[in-house]
Amino acid sequence: GENVEQHPSTLSVQEGDSAVIKCTYSDSASNYFPWYKQELGKGPQLIIDIRSNVGEKKDQRIAVTLNKTAKHFSLHITETQPEDSAVYFCAASKDGGATNKLIFGTGTLLAVQP
Amino acid sequence: GAGVSQSPSNKVTEKGKDVELRCDPISGHTALYWYRQSLGQGLEFLIYFQGNSAPDKSGLPSDRFSAERTGGSVSTLTIQRTQQEDSAVYLCASSIRTHTGELFFGEGSRLTVL
Repeated sequence: GENVEQHPSTLSVQEGDSAVIKCTYSDSASNYFPWYKQELGKGPQLIIDIRSNVGEKKDQRIAVTLNKTAKHFSLHITETQPEDSAVYFCAASKDGGATNKLIFGTGTLLAVQP
Repeated sequence: GAGVSQSPSNKVTEKGKDVELRCDPISGHTALYWYRQSLGQGLEFLIYFQGNSAPDKSGLPSDRFSAERTGGSVSTLTIQRTQQEDSAVYLCASSIRTHTGELFFGEGSRLTVL
């Protein structure tokens, strides 16, 4: 089955700096790659996603890139703010939203130091 | 409320006892998922329900785990003869079966097995 690896497990940056989180997946049939943000005591929330027919997607300060050949995708957060501090999860699915069964990475704890 | 509701939010039990965790999905969402979040282990898929189709139980870790969804709405995850390794946060999510792929998570039920 699909396996998703995520690095780093923890990341500390200064406010205003950029943060990058990387994930690799094993199943070349995967075609949908969302990122979720989980704040303390809350459930994860979708922040951005990308499908395999697109190489990059941006939404204000966040962007995701996908390299299908290498089977890896990354989350980029620019101009980080303290409210960006949370656990971020990448995920992969080969259903493109049809069943939404997601396989998640192990998460990255991002700490933005003011 | 309009979100996914889970109960109890916290459950402490003794090893060997049975527990039931409940999930109320967002009204109108046909798909429902259970995930387990253990420390350092990310989000582990357990089971998926879609409408009247047979559930995808491929993630259940042992036959002590079972889940049902009554009337296409509320779901109950049951863990029999609990073990200490069952201690985790159990997250429920629901989604509309569309191409967007977004899962809406509840805040989870934290289970502690003593």
